[in-house]
Amino acid sequence: DADVTQTPRNRITKTGKRIMLECSQTKGHDRMYWYRQDPGLGLQLIYYSFDVKDINKGEISDGYSVSRQAQAKFSLSLESAIPNQTALYFCATSDVSADTQYFGPGTRLTVL
Amino acid sequence: ELKVEQNPLFLSMQEGKNYTIYCNYSTTSDRLYWYRQDPGKSLESLFVLLSNGAVKQEGRLMASLDTKARLSTLHITAAVHDLSATYFCAVVTDKLIFGTGTRLQVFP
Repeated sequence: DADVTQTPRNRITKTGKRIMLECSQTKGHDRMYWYRQDPGLGLQLIYYSFDVKDINKGEISDGYSVSRQAQAKFSLSLESAIPNQTALYFCATSDVSADTQYFGPGTRLTVL
Repeated sequence: ELKVEQNPLFLSMQEGKNYTIYCNYSTTSDRLYWYRQDPGKSLESLFVLLSNGAVKQEGRLMASLDTKARLSTLHITAAVHDLSATYFCAVVTDKLIFGTGTRLQVFP
């Protein structure tokens, strides 16, 4: 079984809709991250959390919110989706030493 | 603000040839990562470089880190088609900042 899972894997929605992307991990890591990747580009950090009570904005947090429901779960919400939020979204985890980040399989989101 | 730049952004190379991808970053950091991404797939960790002068090798790939020059290199030796992918470097401060990636295509 995968250590980092994301649901849904693909989602098509309309402008103005509220969308939630979910991430779960079985690695026991305290740190979790949400990234966005646009075609042909690198990853941009949206939000990150170092433990259940800690939430931090990344490079591109506008238009997004997150919830850390438990150590193993970190959700990303788009309150009112817009077309330029069409992208591939990755969740990642790391332990305190942050020797490496482990990425989920990604969620492909299309906003029409 | 930490900036991470990779070059080249696109690399087309023949099988059997050698080449180097460069990763420059703008702020002090003693930890650098290299990742591989296949089209439509997630990121796979290749190397973690933790100190100045660190060198790691796996198969045909070798990564090095010069923290004084704020430079990491990913050297490809005798490229094969299976190495075709996009390669990202990423630098950590309090969070991980990614470079724009180098898309590598290896042709016969």
